[in-house]
Amino acid sequence: QVQLQESGPGLVKPSQTLSLTCTVSGGPITSGPFYWSWIRQPAGKGPEWIGRVSSSGTTDYNPSLNSRVTISVDTSKNQFSLNLDSVTAADTAVYYCARLARREHWGVFDYWGQGTLVTVSS
Amino acid sequence: DIQMTQSPSTLSASVGDRVTITCRASQSISNWLAWYQQKPGKAPKVIIYKASRLESGVPSRFSGSGSGTEFTLTISSLQPDDFATYYCQQYNTYIFGQGTKLEIK
Repeated sequence: QVQLQESGPGLVKPSQTLSLTCTVSGGPITSGPFYWSWIRQPAGKGPEWIGRVSSSGTTDYNPSLNSRVTISVDTSKNQFSLNLDSVTAADTAVYYCARLARREHWGVFDYWGQGTLVTVSS
Repeated sequence: DIQMTQSPSTLSASVGDRVTITCRASQSISNWLAWYQQKPGKAPKVIIYKASRLESGVPSRFSGSGSGTEFTLTISSLQPDDFATYYCQQYNTYIFGQGTKLEIK
């Protein structure tokens, strides 16, 4: 059974960089084909996809965040990571890592971490 | 960008009721749509993919239909465990709807 677990600071100051790591257990991150994604959800709102990375390091990002986002993968640690630059209060949300799978086409998030609340505040 | 709009935002129903939630896309997405269930403090869980296919392990009282721009999620006979928030999500750019909260009447 695949499990994902987010880790990182719960409080980030405005203008700084938000950094989170997702540790995957229950199988190698190189198994697949899968992509590994970050998704966030502000309180009371729907989820927002941030971006995805393949086990080989290929990335795609949400155009609305593209200039501030970097997602990377470390296959030796079975982890992938998120960096979000120049954060503001609007980046306050629960951040999830998730596995993106094919259900006849790429598009379904079938395993998720429990989520971690990140608050942007001075 | 494709926008996903769900209705209603809140739905009050009783155990045993049949309920339907609608999701509309701002342009055609064929049948590339998934539905998720989310309970408070938990991550979303996929229940339907490709508009009408039931995810493994999901009870058969859940069903999905639609194609193009209009989609529905139906729960045939509500169970206590079904009271949650439901989201639709289109495949291509992973955009989610704003959610429908299903609450106990």
